[in-house]
Amino acid sequence: GAVVSQHPSWVICKSGTSVKIECRSLDFQATTMFWYRQFPKQSLMLMATSNEGSKATYEQGVEKDKFLINHASLTLSTLTVTSAHPEDSSFYICSASQGTGGGVADTQYFGPGTRLTVL
Amino acid sequence: AQSVAQPEDQVNVAEGNPLTVKCTYSVSGNPYLFWYVQYPNRGLQFLLKYITGDNLVKGSYGFEAEFNKSQTSFHLKKPSALVSDSALYFCAVSFLDRGSTLGRLYFGRGTQLTVWP
Repeated sequence: GAVVSQHPSWVICKSGTSVKIECRSLDFQATTMFWYRQFPKQSLMLMATSNEGSKATYEQGVEKDKFLINHASLTLSTLTVTSAHPEDSSFYICSASQGTGGGVADTQYFGPGTRLTVL
Repeated sequence: AQSVAQPEDQVNVAEGNPLTVKCTYSVSGNPYLFWYVQYPNRGLQFLLKYITGDNLVKGSYGFEAEFNKSQTSFHLKKPSALVSDSALYFCAVSFLDRGSTLGRLYFGRGTQLTVWP
């Protein structure tokens, strides 16, 4: 149980285009999902917290208009990188919180990640 | 400020030997501690967590961790390492802080574990 999928697993796009990444909780409902970015050999950087039915909460320094997050259902959150540039190339990972609605002790289950390369 | 420290970037052990991956934390309030493992180009897999109760927590793949409140530590251990345990290990902490996102995890920098045959 507690499986989270991401699609696509990798994507290559041209500079200036937009890319959408999907995150799905396959066998549980997730009120809260998180989006992370990871650079090579580094830890995860939280980008934003996605709550079903409400606006995402972005971390300081993350551009809201560039990284659009939608959490339309209890099993799906999407991250859209708008007008992508080479510096947006990274490994993007989502997680879904299983518990009593994003509680402090809930376990986050992570997707397999999406490798984005912007040419 | 809240933080998680993994003092070792790299841990090397021989197969069959016990392994320890260290983690210390600093938070205001009660900590909720997690260990995750990451294989190359993959997401993180949940290993175990400590919420309350018994200080020794047992998790997946034979791993366990001991919560030590006085030393603010949550070291990951395994009695007998396998080559397949070689991966990147992350310690993380969550805590009740009304000023931040509920359920947010604060991660350590990660420790690369290498188990040689």
